[in-house]
Amino acid sequence: GAVVSQHPSWVICKSGTSVKIECRSLDFQATTMFWYRQFPKQSLMLMATSNEGSKATYEQGVEKDKFLINHASLTLSTLTVTSAHPEDSSFYICSLQGAGQRYYEQYFGPGTRLTVT
Amino acid sequence: DAKTTQPTSMDCAEGRAANLPCNHSTISGNEYVYWYRQIHSQGPQYIIHGLKNNETNEMASLIITEDRKSSTLILPHATLRDTAVYYCIVITSGGGADGLTFGKGTHLIIQP
Repeated sequence: GAVVSQHPSWVICKSGTSVKIECRSLDFQATTMFWYRQFPKQSLMLMATSNEGSKATYEQGVEKDKFLINHASLTLSTLTVTSAHPEDSSFYICSLQGAGQRYYEQYFGPGTRLTVT
Repeated sequence: DAKTTQPTSMDCAEGRAANLPCNHSTISGNEYVYWYRQIHSQGPQYIIHGLKNNETNEMASLIITEDRKSSTLILPHATLRDTAVYYCIVITSGGGADGLTFGKGTHLIIQP
């Protein structure tokens, strides 16, 4: 399967600052990338879907101006949490899928743990 | 997509087969059953999927009942590293790129 990396693996930031999380495909061209978040003891929740070269589609209840997604290339997507607050503390996970592939070929990154103090 | 029901948690002794059930009684004809697992503080990992026939790969076996209303994931010889949350997901076939809807899953604990 594809190798997906996320950077950083964990980050602590102060309230009001912005944090950028990178998701990279190391050996795979991803036409679609997904961003999920997971609060403690809860399941993963899809935040947004992004296709290379076009604007991301956000799930209901996810603020697009707060969570900026840029799918700059077939191997890189970034999620920027702007003006972070403690309630944004969560585990953020990306996954990617190639053109014409099915769900089992959706590969997940290792996740980024964000703590906002 | 059909809703799934899984037990909240299960224990299994190391070396034994772990059988994880999933109920998907409202599944429709074009929906597949997928299983993922998530080890603590890691991203989910694909395990196996099936439509109506039983499936086996190097990780697990998937048994789907004839009426497709339930399935069982079998880890034949569980090890401590199989301790994880296991998610059963039912999704429509097709090559569309959609995000996955994760339920609460089953927390499988392998006991030494």
